[in-house]
Amino acid sequence: EAGVTQSPTHLIKTRGQQATLRCSPISGHTSVYWYQQALGLGLQFLLWYDEGEERNRGNFPPRFSGRQFPNYSSELNVNALELEDSALYLCASSFHPQPQHFGDGTRLSIL
Amino acid sequence: AQSVTQLDSQVPVFEEAPVELRCNYSSSVSVYLFWYVQYPNQGLQLLLKYLSGSTLVKGINGFEAEFNKSQTSFHLRKPSVHISDTAEYFCAVSDGTGGSYIPTFGRGTSLIVHP
Repeated sequence: EAGVTQSPTHLIKTRGQQATLRCSPISGHTSVYWYQQALGLGLQFLLWYDEGEERNRGNFPPRFSGRQFPNYSSELNVNALELEDSALYLCASSFHPQPQHFGDGTRLSIL
Repeated sequence: AQSVTQLDSQVPVFEEAPVELRCNYSSSVSVYLFWYVQYPNQGLQLLLKYLSGSTLVKGINGFEAEFNKSQTSFHLRKPSVHISDTAEYFCAVSDGTGGSYIPTFGRGTSLIVHP
């Protein structure tokens, strides 16, 4: 069984640009979660998508957005990038109430 | 609201020694509890989970954890660690409040195993 896959592995952007991160969940999982893991801050919940709908979002500004496609894959978009957006972005999938399975993340670096 | 406290940010230990990583949570309802491990430049891998039933949970790589409802704790233990266990460990709690099973993660404990 293929795990959660994320692309790209690394992404380098400059301030003010836009970034798009992608995630493919485990087959059969309808929920996709996005987390930001900045240095020393642990995992901060960003967004939860289930059955194509945004179900919940964490305490992040609106420039963090995303969507879930009919095949349950998901995209995270970050607009107007700021230096503090530099982090590892993790995607996870699950089928409630089972635990989440994580991808290896996208390392976003803002120069 | 649920919250998780990992009491130690860093735990150094010698190879083959036992280790305990502490985790306390707060929640007003029944909970699901998890431990994850993160190796450098990787995502999180599930070590073990408590959903219901026996309070002693066995996971992968020889780890186990005990759910203690009265002390609201879910400490992770291993009787003999290896160098390869050096990693970041995260405790997480999910209580399904409002139909949401989004887990709350602790800030992590860095386990450093010395030869």
